[in-house]
Amino acid sequence: EVQLVQSGAEVKKPGESLKISCKGSGYSFTSYWIGWVRQMPGKGLEWMGIIYPGDSDTRYSPSFQGQVTISADKSISTAYLQWSSLKASDTAMYYCVRHVTVLGYYFDYWGQGTLVTVSS
Amino acid sequence: EIVLTQSPGTLSLSPGERATLSCRASQSVSSSYLAWYQQKPGQAPRLLIYGASSRATGIPDRFSGSGSGTDFTLTISRLEPEDFAVYYCQQYGSSRYTFGQGTKLEIK
Repeated sequence: EVQLVQSGAEVKKPGESLKISCKGSGYSFTSYWIGWVRQMPGKGLEWMGIIYPGDSDTRYSPSFQGQVTISADKSISTAYLQWSSLKASDTAMYYCVRHVTVLGYYFDYWGQGTLVTVSS
Repeated sequence: EIVLTQSPGTLSLSPGERATLSCRASQSVSSSYLAWYQQKPGQAPRLLIYGASSRATGIPDRFSGSGSGTDFTLTISRLEPEDFAVYYCQQYGSSRYTFGQGTKLEIK
């Protein structure tokens, strides 16, 4: 069974750093792109970027380029989303997703979400 | 960037009725790259339709997708109580993904 299990909720102060994780199981982690999607409170879905764990090729949405870092450790089947200096506007639910690029481009599995709260 | 506009913003219907949700793109989208998701409160989104018209694994056949070019439709033939949720369309183009703003399907 394919699963994406994300790390738990975080409460941080503005200016702090943070790294959240997403562990994949039940499939070949290095054979699928993994991405991140943001959902701000009461709002819609925003694609942030993707990484191919097989070779760490990474692509970012222009809206998030330079704001976050996506990485992966294929030895432990885990992808990461990282901030060096959080802002209150980073408060949101963050989902990791598995990308499928066969017979279309879409996200077939989603993690359960990691709620990040940034408040002074 | 391709912008997806979903309509209506909110759709109020009763169980057993037919729901028709629209997703319009600002420029032509390959049908292969158009997907639909369902999100219930407190849950992660779930893939319903990919390639504009192919149902994802385990999705009931009351859900169907259609369309091409700039106009796409998600149809739910007979609404069940568990279908009331928010629905998002999503496209891939120019090396990026974008989502529509969502349609909330609520019980009338």
